[in-house]
Amino acid sequence: GESVGLHLPTLSVQEGDNSIINCAYSNSASDYFIWYKQESGKGPQFIIDIRSNMDKRQGQRVTVLLNKTVKHLSLQIAATQPGDSAVYFCAEILTGGGNKLTFGTGTQLKVEL
Amino acid sequence: DTAVSQTPKYLVTQMGNDKSIKCEQNLGHDTMYWYKQDSKKFLKIMFSYNNKELIINETVPNRFSPKSPDKAHLNLHINSLELGDSAVYFCASSQNRGTEAFFGQGTRLTVV
Repeated sequence: GESVGLHLPTLSVQEGDNSIINCAYSNSASDYFIWYKQESGKGPQFIIDIRSNMDKRQGQRVTVLLNKTVKHLSLQIAATQPGDSAVYFCAEILTGGGNKLTFGTGTQLKVEL
Repeated sequence: DTAVSQTPKYLVTQMGNDKSIKCEQNLGHDTMYWYKQDSKKFLKIMFSYNNKELIINETVPNRFSPKSPDKAHLNLHINSLELGDSAVYFCASSQNRGTEAFFGQGTRLTVV
């Protein structure tokens, strides 16, 4: 399933399926783009980042894609598990600008058993 | 050991009161932040400090005053609390020019 993180939409996926969470960013000057995961009652937790001069980066079960032409960022989660249920935020950072980390609106991911 | 700890976790107070939230990080980071998360989960930066020096102040009302006694601590004092201040406040820290910020568990402030 796919979702656009402009309000706080909900993306529901079946356990074991792949999830795709999308995000539109605003600042072309940002050095890095980052995904954070926030579980209920906790603070955001870093998942993966991608430098602005890259278009793809893979981690463990996660892949981030960056399309600078259309200012679009996506997070792909392979074989989604119940523990992946959380709100996911994209963020952008200008490391030379006081390290200002600017968050986008989140996407609620619900994993159905 | 908790990397970024903030206290209290919950704070319920009346309008007009003054309150403080404390934050400490044991990661040796140079940069600390305060973020506000509203009821729609939107996270907005309020302040950023680097080595005790204020770097970012995002048009936050003067009623909010951060204080950093040393680079491991960043406290937030709020005067004359208003209903609209109700939110979850997160403290975070990172290495200077680092992309990974570590967040505390949050302080849920409710102004009644």
